[in-house]
Amino acid sequence: EVQLVQSGAEVKKPGESLRISCKGSGYSFTSYWISWVRQMPGKGLEWMGRIDPSDSYTNYSPSFQGHVTISADKSISTAYLQWSSLKASDTAMYYCAREGYYDSSGFYRVGAFDYWGQGTLVTVSS
Amino acid sequence: DIQMTQSPSSLSASVGDRVTITCQASQDISNYLNWYHQKPGKAPKLLIYDASNLETGVPSRFSGSGSGTDFTFTISSLQPEDIATYYCQQYDNLPPYTFGQGTKLEIK
Repeated sequence: EVQLVQSGAEVKKPGESLRISCKGSGYSFTSYWISWVRQMPGKGLEWMGRIDPSDSYTNYSPSFQGHVTISADKSISTAYLQWSSLKASDTAMYYCAREGYYDSSGFYRVGAFDYWGQGTLVTVSS
Repeated sequence: DIQMTQSPSSLSASVGDRVTITCQASQDISNYLNWYHQKPGKAPKLLIYDASNLETGVPSRFSGSGSGTDFTFTISSLQPEDIATYYCQQYDNLPPYTFGQGTKLEIK
């Protein structure tokens, strides 16, 4: 069974650093990109960026570039989302999601998020 | 960035009704469009990928159509368990992928 299990809720102060995790199981972790998606309280979904766990190549949304870092450790099938200096506006639920599928010809097709983690709630407050 | 405009933003319908949600892209995205729903307190769930392909295990009352800039998502006969917020998502232009603003579906 494919699963993405995220780390638990966090409460932090502005200016603090944080790393949250997303552990994949039940599939070949290096064969699918992992994306991170933000959902602010009562709001919609925002794509933050993604990583190819096989080589740690990343893409970021311009809205999040420079404010977060996405990384992965393929030896333990885990992706990370990291902040060096949190702001109150980072308060949100963060989801990781597996991206893509292999078509009948064996080609990897990107774009669709078929498995999601349960979400990690990050609260930043003084 | 490609902007995705969903309508309506909220919708109230009766059990058994046919429900339609539309999504318009700010530029041609071919068929690079997915649909999800999200129930309260839960992660989103993929329903339709590549505009019209039903994800494995998703009931056949859900369907999608469209290409280019205009897309439609339909529930042929609304069930109580379909209450959720529905999102479209484009992946033609990376970065970034973008989602529509969501359609909150309620039972009348």
